Amino acid sequence: NAGVMQNPRHLVRRRGQEARLRCSPMKGHSHVYWYRQLPEEGLKFMVYLQKENIIDESGMPKERFSAEFPKEGPSILRIQQVVRGDSAAYFCLAGENTGELFFGEGSRLTVL
Amino acid sequence: KNEVEQSPQNLTAQEGEFITINCSYSVGISALHWLQQHPGGGIVSLFMLSSGKKKHGRLIATINIQEKHSSLHITASHPRDSAVYICAVTGNQFYFGTGTSLTVIP
Repeated sequence: NAGVMQNPRHLVRRRGQEARLRCSPMKGHSHVYWYRQLPEEGLKFMVYLQKENIIDESGMPKERFSAEFPKEGPSILRIQQVVRGDSAAYFCLAGENTGELFFGEGSRLTVL
Repeated sequence: KNEVEQSPQNLTAQEGEFITINCSYSVGISALHWLQQHPGGGIVSLFMLSSGKKKHGRLIATINIQEKHSSLHITASHPRDSAVYICAVTGNQFYFGTGTSLTVIP
């Protein structure tokens, strides 16, 4: 799944700090999805973005979480005032109308 | 009810066994994906299917559009096949099954 870059791969934060996770899809991929995978659980949809637009954020908590995908630059998932329950792997997925899926390697957030 | 259901949830097999993982979905789709995730690892796309059957090495994936069902088969299983296998479909958005955790014992 080369072409979808996520960073950082691992991030450690203390409770109350902010976490910023970045996703850079391949050039030409204008659809980005963020999924969260809690330990021992499946992938849960968070948000679907296109360039400069949030299409569906129904899976994202209303408080503390935000996402953007600007015209230039990576998509950012931002978690403010992190809590231990935010510890998870966050995957970025880029897709196009062809149905092909491209996954990033994931960003693993640990909140101490 | 989840849009994508997988079975079994957990599977343990002896090395060399033939393995089948099943996936049923309830939404209209343009494609179905089989994904592999090793413990602590990233997610790798194994197959993308819209009809019929695909084979890659010891892995075979089939889909029956009418029955809204797909299977992933692993022939001559090996301990390195131990991973979580996830079925996902592309409809209005992407829907994921909860995964099948496979352990192959030497």
